[in-house]
Amino acid sequence: DAGITQSPRYKITETGRQVTLMCHQTWSHSYMFWYRQDLGHGLRLIYYSAAADITDKGEVPDGYVVSRSKTENFPLTLESATRSQTSVYFCASRAGTGYEQYFGPGTRLTVT
Amino acid sequence: AQSVAQPEDQVNVAEGNPLTVKCTYSVSGNPYLFWYVQYPNRGLQFLLKYITGDNLVKGSYGFEAEFNKSQTSFHLKKPSALVSDSALYFCAVSRNSGNTPLVFGKGTRLSVIA
Repeated sequence: DAGITQSPRYKITETGRQVTLMCHQTWSHSYMFWYRQDLGHGLRLIYYSAAADITDKGEVPDGYVVSRSKTENFPLTLESATRSQTSVYFCASRAGTGYEQYFGPGTRLTVT
Repeated sequence: AQSVAQPEDQVNVAEGNPLTVKCTYSVSGNPYLFWYVQYPNRGLQFLLKYITGDNLVKGSYGFEAEFNKSQTSFHLKKPSALVSDSALYFCAVSRNSGNTPLVFGKGTRLSVIA
């Protein structure tokens, strides 16, 4: 199906473990983004990418790593998860010539 | 730096009444402004945008928004609220370069009461 998907939708992990959240889009959009949503903070940008092999930090990048070897995929890795990373994570994409971002359904991550 | 303020955490309105969700922004240069809606356990859905042109923009589900440059505002409006409009609404801004990510407000929860 066309669109933007995220996996897993729900994840429980332990403090200190590495976890990767996947994001895949079928539109060939050049831009992709990772946000986290926390009560009282709205959406905060973690990392974004303007094209394959080009990534840049957002507002809250510490503790996260991204890569983008293919246009359609933009995985987000928590190298050593902490409880403060418990959140809902949203991936989004945007065409290079467009303006609005399109969001995936989100991944709810709980770090115990 | 760009920023967005949504001064109301919660807005309550009776079904059939007009609704307004407020948003003010701060950005250098010309703003690109957006409204998104989020239903429970869902991602954000795009409602409407202002890039240039007419200050009143119309979007999905009967929503509209008015760009006011002097007041740096972009309030979301609907003439007649529905119970199904109850959701979390986010305002977002980007600089007119088009290459900067959106910056979101903290969101306003709209409750439409039957």
